[in-house]
Amino acid sequence: GAGVSQSPSNKVTEKGKDVELRCDPISGHTALYWYRQSLGQGLEFLIYFQGNSAPDKSGLPSDRFSAERTGGSVSTLTIQRTQQEDSAVYLCASSFTGSGYGYTFGSGTRLTVV
Amino acid sequence: GEDVEQSLFLSVREGDSSVINCTYTDSSSTYLYWYKQEPGAGLQLLTYIFSNMDMKQDQRLTVLLNKKDKHLSLRIADTQTGDSAIYFCAESMDNQGGKLIFGQGTELSVKP
Repeated sequence: GAGVSQSPSNKVTEKGKDVELRCDPISGHTALYWYRQSLGQGLEFLIYFQGNSAPDKSGLPSDRFSAERTGGSVSTLTIQRTQQEDSAVYLCASSFTGSGYGYTFGSGTRLTVV
Repeated sequence: GEDVEQSLFLSVREGDSSVINCTYTDSSSTYLYWYKQEPGAGLQLLTYIFSNMDMKQDQRLTVLLNKKDKHLSLRIADTQTGDSAIYFCAESMDNQGGKLIFGQGTELSVKP
């Protein structure tokens, strides 16, 4: 597609429920990144994919967070047993080479846990 | 460790120059970036500088890089109300798959 597409754009969920956030990268981009932006905070790195594998998961905050990528394309970030501190904007980005150059960000999913 | 620091707020008058400062930690970063985030919107790449450069100018934007002090700045000339946004600097961790480490963002407020 023309840009990085994320869905849903907004999600309100009850504490304790599981949520899935989706990212559709730009076609042909091999590298895909997830970041989290909490209120008043910068962007926190979560996980990085090269193709379908995730060489760097160091930013995932807890084992309630997981992500996968299939077909070298779509990625899903899953948060199990959501907590109020998970409320944030989750941003996805993709790039051709994984060099840090040429990132394109999606508009994000705003997650609110009530 | 990896850390990028920015001041949180800057307020200027329309027509003045704005200077947003940033310090970073990884001297091996190939590129350093400035991103802009308008309210309710995603991140837009404003400009970047290659690490072997000292300065880059792009229309109203001037990026200065001091590698010795690991200091990066973004100057916006003739600041307009439309420049009001949050500005993030970021360094790329090229030996870690190109993940970007962001500062906390500087909220620029432009008063008419």
